Amino acid sequence: GNSVTQMEGPVTLSEEAFLTINCTYTATGYPSLFWYVQYPGEGLQLLLKATKADDKGSNKGFEATYRKETTSFHLEKGSVQVSDSAVYFCALSKGGANNLFFGTGTRLTVIP
Amino acid sequence: EAQVTQNPRYLITVTGKKLTVTCSQNMNHEYMSWYRQDPGLGLRQIYYSMNVEVTDKGDVPEGYKVSRKEKRNFPLILESPSPNQTSLYFCASSALILGYSSYNEQFFGPGTRLTVL
Repeated sequence: GNSVTQMEGPVTLSEEAFLTINCTYTATGYPSLFWYVQYPGEGLQLLLKATKADDKGSNKGFEATYRKETTSFHLEKGSVQVSDSAVYFCALSKGGANNLFFGTGTRLTVIP
Repeated sequence: EAQVTQNPRYLITVTGKKLTVTCSQNMNHEYMSWYRQDPGLGLRQIYYSMNVEVTDKGDVPEGYKVSRKEKRNFPLILESPSPNQTSLYFCASSALILGYSSYNEQFFGPGTRLTVL
C-alpha cells in the first residue's frame, strides 16, 4: 500500500539554525511527493513538490529532493526564521491520481 | 479570490444529534475531498468525489456521509455523531489529474473543529 513515515516531533530550533525533517515513503509505481505546511489556525498549503525521481522541489528557502533509491523526500532549510513555526506534512499521491496520503506531521517551533 | 470555505469553523454538539459541515469551492474543481486530522495520526481521508454524483470512500468513512449534487459543494454529514468523531476536519479541492506524470495542487479550507460530547 501507500504510506508516508515522517520524523517525530516536535522540533525546536533557534533562529538561523539548519532544519531537516525526514520523510520516507512506501508506494507502488512512481508517486508524486509533496510537503504541505499548516500555520497556526489555518488550513494546509502546498510548500513544494516533486513529480519524478531526482527532482528537487523548492520554495521560500525550503528544499526537498525526490530520492527513489532511498525512497525519501527530506525537507531542508539552511536558516530558519520565527515565521517558519508551523506543522509540516509530507505527502504522496500515486501517479495520475488525486488522492493524497499524509504523514503524521512534524511541529516546528523556531525561537528568537 | 480562489478559495475553499467551510462552515461552521467551530462546533460543539452532543452524541446522536445530526449535523452537516458545508464545504464550497469557487475554482470549478472536479475533485473534492474530506480529511480528519488527529494528533499523532496526521490527515486521514474520509470521502472523496471525482465529480458531480461521483463519490467514494477514503480510509476512514465509517460514521460519515457525503453528497455531491453540485460541482462547487461537498457537504459532510454526521447522521449520529459520537465522541470518537471529535476532530479537526478539512475539505480540499483540486482539478482532476489527466496524465500519469501530471499533478494538480490541492487547496484546503480553513478547517472545522468539531467536539462531540
